[in-house]
Amino acid sequence: TQLLEQSPQFLSIQEGENLTVYCNSSSVFSSLQWYRQEPGEGPVLLVTVVTGGEVKKLKRLTFQFGDARKDSSLHITAAQPGDTGLYLCAAVTGNQFYFGTGTSLTVIP
Amino acid sequence: DADVTQTPRNRITKTGKRIMLECSQTKGHDRMYWYRQDPGLGLRLIYYSFDVKDINKGEISDGYSVSRQAQAKFSLSLESAIPNQTALYFCATSAAWDTGELFFGEGSRLTVL
Repeated sequence: TQLLEQSPQFLSIQEGENLTVYCNSSSVFSSLQWYRQEPGEGPVLLVTVVTGGEVKKLKRLTFQFGDARKDSSLHITAAQPGDTGLYLCAAVTGNQFYFGTGTSLTVIP
Repeated sequence: DADVTQTPRNRITKTGKRIMLECSQTKGHDRMYWYRQDPGLGLRLIYYSFDVKDINKGEISDGYSVSRQAQAKFSLSLESAIPNQTALYFCATSAAWDTGELFFGEGSRLTVL
């Protein structure tokens, strides 16, 4: 059973379009992270959200933590080919990190 | 040089063979992890260690074992590899005083024929 479900699993869009990726769970977490993984490399942390309802922005990326701290979303504005990669959410609870199923994003020039 | 180094990066082996994947880190972190990545399943935790004398099973430890030889070294072994252990394996570290970020190696791709 997967603790975190991400949707969509695959996403292919044209450069300049907007997109949203979702990370959902039935459990409450102390914090939630988003990582991006490029081919041939390990995941790299983008952001950590801690407070319910928190919104963080990283250039064209906007991250939101649900009010109940069970879900999160990642919105990318005006996607660029450099945004291509696998996006993973990770829940931090206690001393453990639990990863979502991943969203593979392809941005077509 | 990478802060978290995994060897080998790619390995092809046969069913029943013993395989060891090695991980070393220069970040000075106490906590080290081994994850397995399969398409559509994200990253799943195999084993983790919070210091040299501490070893803990993750959600999918069956068929795997680990050794924490030093603070900087954490190896993963498959005593008798089977085809469904074909996957991409990642080692990661985090600081004991701040569980805010995992630092990953570049991964070891294992194929079991």
